[in-house]
Amino acid sequence: LAKTTQPISMDSYEGQEVNITCSHNNIATNDYITWYQQFPSQGPRFIIQGYKTKVTNEVASLFIPADRKSSTLSLPRVSLSDTAVYYCLVVGSEYGNKLVFGAGTILRVKS
Amino acid sequence: DTGVSQNPRHKITKRGQNVTFRCDPISEHNRLYWYRQTLGQGPEFLTYFQNEAQLEKSRLLSDRFSAERPKGSFSTLEIQRTEQGDSAMYLCASSLGGGGLSTDTQYFGPGTRLTVL
Repeated sequence: LAKTTQPISMDSYEGQEVNITCSHNNIATNDYITWYQQFPSQGPRFIIQGYKTKVTNEVASLFIPADRKSSTLSLPRVSLSDTAVYYCLVVGSEYGNKLVFGAGTILRVKS
Repeated sequence: DTGVSQNPRHKITKRGQNVTFRCDPISEHNRLYWYRQTLGQGPEFLTYFQNEAQLEKSRLLSDRFSAERPKGSFSTLEIQRTEQGDSAMYLCASSLGGGGLSTDTQYFGPGTRLTVL
């Protein structure tokens, strides 16, 4: 089972870069890593997805080392509106596509 | 832009009653997922559909829960004989579903908050 582990919470200030790391030691060869953002009383929202090395879109970057046992979501120059819960999701394809979200990381951005 | 919609947004019921929730996915999305989320926890997978076929159900899903997607479009989730432990946010998500689940980009609805008294 591709269980993921993330820090429970992180604090940052506006304008700083925030890096949230997720460990997924049992990731399988065909598994991708996907990150979601969730605000209170809303459903999660897709941020970024990657398989290896680095992926960048208009809101974030995702860094994945060669062994793929971890990944780091990087949010450049955060603002107060980035305060949310961030989830790392790895679907365990070797174990029947187990869809298991972890508890996520609560990011608090302060002014 | 019509995203995933869920109705009702809030439901209060008494223990023992049956409730039904509806999810309308993004048009042309083949996959539809149901999750349950309690305070402070990540979404907990319940089941998913590929078109009208229900392909996987969580072992956590008791026989009081049933989901349908009769024509491969909207879906309903029914909970029979509700218990206080069923109080949670019920989330629906849809995806194009062209590849494996691992590569899916899921688009979530706003959820239905269920309170069982």
